[in-house]
Formats: sequence, C-alpha cells, structure tokens
Amino acid sequence: DAKTTQPPSMDCAEGRAANLPCNHSTISGNEYVYWYRQIHSQGPQYIIHGLKNNETNEMASLIITEDRKSSTLILPHATLRDTAVYYCIVRGPTSYNNNDMRFGAGTRLTVKP
Amino acid sequence: EAGVAQSPRYKIIEKRQSVAFWCNPISGHATLYWYQQILGQGPKLLIQFQNNGVVDDSQLPKDRFSAERLKGVDSTLKIQPAKLEDSAVYLCASSLAGLSYNEQFFGPGTRLTVL
Repeated sequence: DAKTTQPPSMDCAEGRAANLPCNHSTISGNEYVYWYRQIHSQGPQYIIHGLKNNETNEMASLIITEDRKSSTLILPHATLRDTAVYYCIVRGPTSYNNNDMRFGAGTRLTVKP
Repeated sequence: EAGVAQSPRYKIIEKRQSVAFWCNPISGHATLYWYQQILGQGPKLLIQFQNNGVVDDSQLPKDRFSAERLKGVDSTLKIQPAKLEDSAVYLCASSLAGLSYNEQFFGPGTRLTVL
C-alpha cells in the first residue's frame, strides 16, 4: 500500500504556479520523498526527490515540512504540457531489498489555457 | 542517451494464451524493474533484478508470471497462461543501482489486452 495521500485531481491556469500537496505522515527518518509524473500513454517520468531539505531543479521545486510529514511539489509556471498524473512516493532506506517505489493513485493535474 | 526500450508496444491475446514482453534498459544500469499498471491505478512493482539476480519478486504471481535477465542486460517477462485480469500496461524501468537515491527511468510500456 502507498504511504502517501494526495488529492485525486487539481486544476491550474496556464502560466501560474501549480502546487501539488502530499501527505506522508508515517515517513521514517531515512526514507526519501520522490515525485514522478505520467503523461497519457507514457511511462512515469522522474521529477525530483528529497530527504530533508527543500530541493529545486529545472523542472520543479520540492518543499518538505520540517517534521517531514508532508511536502509540496511546485511547478513554477505550468504549461499545457504539464497536464499529467503526479505521483508522490515515499521510498525505503538505502538498501537493495527495501527501496521499491509504491505508487498510489496520484493527483491528476489539468493545466487549462 | 537512449532510454529504456520495450517491445511490443501493444499486444492482444485471448485468455489462457501465453505472452512475452522484452525490455532493454539504459546502458550501464545494473537494476531493472518490471511494473504492472492497471487502468486508473499507479504502477505496482512485480520484480526487481540487480544485474542478473532477483532482489525482490514478492508481488509477482509466480504461478503464471516469470521473468529473467540472463546476462544482466535485457529482460523478458512472460505470462502463461494469461487471465482477463492481466490486462494492463507492463512497464520496465532501470536505474544505475538499486538504492533509494537512484532515480528510475521508465520505458513507454507494453499495453496488454486479454480477451
């Protein structure tokens, strides 16, 4: 079972920031938070991941609360091509046998013109 | 850099028939994963290989599903015999190593329809 809770769907206006929340209240101290997205008929695509600190890359920013029980993925300027299902995943500790990614149902983000 | 390749992209079979899927991971990636994604759900891990050894196959229905990665590169996933509930997209992914901080790269998937 997924260790995360996400809203099933969200809308965002093109050009505006999309803020996707994720609750992971049972996260352990050595578990990472990963975000992937899946555009229709494609495989999931890696976006970003973090352990404790906030992270930023060319695609998005990841804000993790101090208690690590929730996080927010921020797409700073959403475009129509960002329409996809976004998955927040808590991933096991750094060992080969316990780090599989358990996907939930994700959040379906629709970016509207 | 070439991505994860999968074939075929689509397959339609009748129940009780057999089917096989092929995956070629990114060059140099030691870890390979097979996922099953049923319509409307997130992907579910079926099996994880580290080189040519199985690390985790706890969610693989072993009575009908099998997978191999003989030379530590390409992999095949087989279903024999197929059931209606096996209709899904089968995704292959690879990563540099099987550690939590190594991102996984996914292929486009094979969409299986069992009639």
